[in-house]
Parts: sequence; C-alpha cells; structure tokens
Amino acid sequence: GAVVSQHPSRVICKSGTSVKIECRSLDFQATTMFWYRQFPKKSLMLMATSNEGSKATYEQGVEKDKFLINHASLTLSTLTVTSAHPEDSSFYICSATLVGTSGTKQYFGPGTRLTVT
Amino acid sequence: EDKVVQSPLSLVVHEGDTVTLNCSYEVTNFRSLLWYKQEKKAPTFLFMLTSSGIEKKSGRLSSILDKKELFSILNITATQTGDSAIYLCAVTVQGAQKLVFGQGTRLTINP
Repeated sequence: GAVVSQHPSRVICKSGTSVKIECRSLDFQATTMFWYRQFPKKSLMLMATSNEGSKATYEQGVEKDKFLINHASLTLSTLTVTSAHPEDSSFYICSATLVGTSGTKQYFGPGTRLTVT
Repeated sequence: EDKVVQSPLSLVVHEGDTVTLNCSYEVTNFRSLLWYKQEKKAPTFLFMLTSSGIEKKSGRLSSILDKKELFSILNITATQTGDSAIYLCAVTVQGAQKLVFGQGTRLTINP
C-alpha cells in the first residue's frame, strides 16, 4: 500500500534555532502534500498545501516566513520551522495525495513531535 | 467558510457497548466525507462516503452519510479496549484535494 514517512519522528531544539522536517512518499509520487499541526487532544489543523514545483498555499493565519515549505520532488516535501519558539512545540503531520482509478486518497505520515525549549 | 463539527467531543463507555459518533458539515460543493481513527500517531483511514444512504461496513464499524441533512454517523458495535482512539471526520470539496477536519471525538473504552 501507499506509505508516507516523516523524519525525524521526534526533535528537541532550542529557542531561536530552525528545524527541518521531511515528508516522503515511499512508493508513489505525490504532486500534492499537506502539512498539519495538531495540539494535544485536538484535531488536525491544516497549515499549508505543498505543490511540487511551485509555491505552497498557506491557510489563513499561518505565517509563511515562519513555516517554510519546499516540495522539490514528487516524493519529498520539507517543512522548516524557522526561529522556533516554545509555542511552536506541537505534533506536525504530513499527508501525500495519491490519485488512483478509484479516486484521490490522502495517506498520512507518522508525525513529528517538535519540542522547543 | 467550510466547517465540520463532531459530537460528542469525548465519550467514555464500557467494553461491549455500542457507540455512535456524529459528524455534521457545512461546505460549498461537497465531494466526500472521510472517517479516520487516530491512536498514538498518524490517522488511519476507515471509510470514504460520497453517496447518501449507502452504509459502509468493516467488521464492527459502519458508517452512513445523509447529504440532505449534511451529516454522517460512525457506529461501533461490541466495543473493545482497542477501539479507544480519537475518531476524526473530514470533508473534501469539489476542485480541491485538502481535507477539512472536525475537532475529533475522543473515545475511551473501559474494560
């Protein structure tokens, strides 16, 4: 089946540093990937849509200069949290879209837990 | 603005009970409604519903969509402790691939 990986699964960084999270579709190509953020005991909040070869589309209220997204290939999207602060601590999940004969499905990565100290 | 509302937000039952989770939506140009189960990590896909009145079943889980009243339910019968999770409902609209999620229902099954 379709598998999406994320790396790292867990990261702790100091305030003011930048952190890069990778999202890969392992056995399929994804022209579109999505980045979500999830706070404890809350639902997934869509941050941005990552389009291969073009600029990401950010949801309202998400700072594009803070959360840099690069979708350089059909199997890789990266999210960089720049100048991280403790309030950026969260669970970040990506998903990749697979277009098939039975329709379009999204497959989720296992998530990355970011802790900013 | 597209909106998905789930209820209840939290539910605690005993093993063996039957539960019904609700999801209502207000979106422009509805395409499909999806149910996911989330335990510790990523959500796992349960059902995708596009047509009204057709029940989808997988073991003890079933779901149905009502496009006239704009809601869906997810039923779990003979619940087990392994059913404890957050259940997420999401909607897609025509012309877009993104999912709009509800707040989720946190289900706890006590032995």
